[in-house]
Amino acid sequence: EAGVTQFPSHSVIEKGQTVTLRCDPISGHDNLYWYRRVMGKEIKFLLHFVKESKQDESGMPNNRFLAERTGGTYSTLKVQPAELEDSGVYFCASSQDVRDNMIQYFGAGTRLSVL
Amino acid sequence: KQEVTQIPAALSVPEGENLVLNCSFTDSAIYNLQWFRQDPGKGLTSLLLIQSSQREQTSGRLNASLDKSSGRSTLYIAASQPGDSATYLCAVSSYGGSQGNLIFGKGTKLSVKP
Repeated sequence: EAGVTQFPSHSVIEKGQTVTLRCDPISGHDNLYWYRRVMGKEIKFLLHFVKESKQDESGMPNNRFLAERTGGTYSTLKVQPAELEDSGVYFCASSQDVRDNMIQYFGAGTRLSVL
Repeated sequence: KQEVTQIPAALSVPEGENLVLNCSFTDSAIYNLQWFRQDPGKGLTSLLLIQSSQREQTSGRLNASLDKSSGRSTLYIAASQPGDSATYLCAVSSYGGSQGNLIFGKGTKLSVKP
C-alpha cells in the first residue's frame, strides 16, 4: 500500500511567485492534514480536512495560503504570493479516523525555498 | 495555550545503552500523545500513540509512558542501536484544538555510536 506522497520534494521560487504543493493521502483516509516546519521552529499545524470539508483551519498563517481538497482525494496547498518567511518544510499527513485510530501517517514533505 | 517541550535537544550515546527521552506539555487536557521518529530527508514515522486514559504503550524495544497529571511523557529505548539514530518528536492532541491538530515539540536528535 502506498503511503502519503507529496510533490514536489523541493521547490525553489522567488519572492512574489506562486507555488502549489500537492499531497496524495493513503487511499481510504478521509482525514488529511497540512503542517509546516520553518527553520529552527517546531512543526506547526496548518489545517485539517475531513473528506473535502475544512474541519479546522486555525493554523493557516494568512490569506496568501489556500488549501483545497476537491473530491475528497488529493489536496493542494497554494501560496500566492510567496514571501521569504514562507520558506520551510511542508508536511502532509492522513489518518483513517480522528477518534479511535488517529495515528497520522506523514509524507516526506516538500522543502520550499523562497529567495 | 498548549506547549510541548522536549529535553534534551540532542543526545549521543554508545551502542547498547538504554536511554530515556523526555517530553512535557503544559495543559493536561489532551486526547492522546504520540511519539514520532524522523530520519533526515524523510517524513515522520509514528512509533507509539498513548490515549489519554492509558499509562504506557510498548512496541519492541520502545516503551512510552504518560503521566497526564504532571504533563510528562517519556520514551524509553532499550539496548540502543546505530539504526536508532534519528530525531524523535513528541506531539499531543489537545482539547484546546480539534483532535486532528497535533502540537509538536522541537524534537530530540539522537545519535547512537557503534
